[in-house]
Amino acid sequence: DSGVTQTPKHLITATGQRVTLRCSPRSGDLSVYWYQQSLDQGLQFLIQYYNGEERAKGNILERFSAQQFPDLHSELNLSSLELGDSALYFCASSVDLRSGQGSEQFFGPGTRLTVL
Amino acid sequence: ILNVEQSPQSLHVQEGDSTNFTCSFPSSNFYALHWYRWETAKSPEALFVMTLNGDEKKKGRISATLNTKEGYSYLYIKGSQPEDSATYLCAFHPGSSNTGKLIFGQGTTLQVKP
Repeated sequence: DSGVTQTPKHLITATGQRVTLRCSPRSGDLSVYWYQQSLDQGLQFLIQYYNGEERAKGNILERFSAQQFPDLHSELNLSSLELGDSALYFCASSVDLRSGQGSEQFFGPGTRLTVL
Repeated sequence: ILNVEQSPQSLHVQEGDSTNFTCSFPSSNFYALHWYRWETAKSPEALFVMTLNGDEKKKGRISATLNTKEGYSYLYIKGSQPEDSATYLCAFHPGSSNTGKLIFGQGTTLQVKP
């Protein structure tokens, strides 16, 4: 158990819908990261928040948005869903802004999104 | 475009065999190299974070080396056991941005047969 929690575990929805994925980081971690794992792709970095502020963006679609709240939990909002958005979405957290120098990222259990 | 390559894509070994796999990353703009272990139906778990050229890290039967000048890292598993079966991911942390963004390779999937 990494200490990072994600809800829900599974989500099945239809095309065109909007969903919200939730993540609570480990106690004391200020950085939250969102990753997408599609069928034929490796882990793709989507976005990083640090202490409530957006700090880095990857190839995140405009239909996707995220935020980090004052209690440091984060939400990833996916709208106008398409079949290709079906994937495993991971949240990770780390203590620092930069996860190097011995500061690794801790991953949650993931949310499996299926768009029908 | 920053590319991280891992080889081989998959590996099947017998229990007791030693094995190693490679992660190639850009040799410039380096900040750190991470190794993660990802078991089926679980989430990725950090093995090592390596930052210095020539770094060697060890955890039990698993060790890793780092060459930042030529842009590669090796992960070694000595005397593989069935519980070592997992996908091993490396992730490159570029130095150009003051963030925690990681670029992951596709992983090497290891299957250890009893």
